[in-house]
Amino acid sequence: EDQVTQSPEALRLQEGESSSLNCSYTVSGLRGLFWYRQDPGKGPEFLFTLYSAGEEKEKERLKATLTKKESFLHITAPKPEDSATYLCAVQGGSNYKLTFGKGTLLTVNP
Amino acid sequence: DSGVTQTPKHLITATGQRVTLRCSPRSGDLSVYWYQQSLDQGLQFLIQYYNGEERAKGNILERFSAQQFPDLHSELNLSSLELGDSALYFCATFQDRVDEQYFGPGTRLTVT
Repeated sequence: EDQVTQSPEALRLQEGESSSLNCSYTVSGLRGLFWYRQDPGKGPEFLFTLYSAGEEKEKERLKATLTKKESFLHITAPKPEDSATYLCAVQGGSNYKLTFGKGTLLTVNP
Repeated sequence: DSGVTQTPKHLITATGQRVTLRCSPRSGDLSVYWYQQSLDQGLQFLIQYYNGEERAKGNILERFSAQQFPDLHSELNLSSLELGDSALYFCATFQDRVDEQYFGPGTRLTVT
């Protein structure tokens, strides 16, 4: 069964203090690894899809990377509006189901 | 705004009752995924439909069922409701060609 573990559960940063969120996974034949941002009471917002080890994608202050066992979401010089829960999910090659981690709650203080 | 719509936004009902949640995908998206999100369990995949047919099933309870209609909207039916069914229910659609998934705003179900 596919599994996703995200760490840390919560992270508090000062504005401008860069850091990384981790997503460790086990999956049978990775079809894609997905990152989402979720604000309280709202639906997750798609950020990135990564397909193979070594791949990197960037969007504003966010950069996602992928290895064979984990993915990192790097946040450079975060701002208070980056505060949210960041979710990681994997999709295995044999089916279309997405398995989500429990997320990392990021708080960026001004 | 993701373009995925869900109704109702909030639903309060009593134990033992039955409710129907509705989802309309973005124009051109053929797939619909349903998820349940509770505080202790995180986001749990329930079921997926693609162009009217069931494609994948997660840990969906037998009391829950879903279908996708010819116009591609989908309904999730929850029956014999229990207190533990209180959660946020999301639907999402997948843009297959670019592997991007878009979530609706969710339905907050409260069972009293």
